Amino acid sequence: GAVVSQHPSRVICKSGTSVKIECRSLDFQATTMFWYRQFPKQSLMLMATSNEGSKATYEQGVEKDKFLINHASLTLSTLTVTSAHPEDSSFYICSARDRLAGRETQYFGPGTRLLVL
Amino acid sequence: QKEVEQDPGPLSVPEGAIVSLNCTYSNSAFQYFMWYRQYSRKGPELLMYTYSSGNKEDGRFTAQVDKSSKYISLFIRDSQPSDSATYLCAMRAGANNLFFGTGTRLTVIP
Repeated sequence: GAVVSQHPSRVICKSGTSVKIECRSLDFQATTMFWYRQFPKQSLMLMATSNEGSKATYEQGVEKDKFLINHASLTLSTLTVTSAHPEDSSFYICSARDRLAGRETQYFGPGTRLLVL
Repeated sequence: QKEVEQDPGPLSVPEGAIVSLNCTYSNSAFQYFMWYRQYSRKGPELLMYTYSSGNKEDGRFTAQVDKSSKYISLFIRDSQPSDSATYLCAMRAGANNLFFGTGTRLTVIP
């Protein structure tokens, strides 16, 4: 299947710093990418939908000024957690839809584990 | 009421057993149904995809959708220790976003 990569795979940072997570579709073009957050033993919760060349759409309760999303190309979306706090510690997973394969095809990245001290 | 309900388990079975995983949902508009497998500390991997009602088989995996009952199932035959993972059901209506179940943690004991 198609490959989605994320970088970094894990990051530890101090409270108050900003962290950027990259999501790349390696062998397909993705007009739409999704950012999820997953707490331990819980399911994936959609944070925002990222559309190439336009502003991201955030889910209710997700602060757009805290979780900055940029989708500048068909293969790259970034999530920046600004002024991170310990409660932001979580597993962040991106997903991308293959533009050519159809809307049912959504591939997930391996996730980024964020720990804020 | 959650859009998608899934028993979180954990579920432990002996190697070779048939595993049945299930989800129920409340939104009758859901048309696309998926099962993902997620290993510990990894992203979800698409296992099965089904559109509308019916069955779909892929090797040891069979996905069933019963839209009249708003109930979907994933069956794993001849389960292997390598099948030990968390299985997430997911569904959506049209081009909208995916709604996930909480996931069922499965352990296949050698």
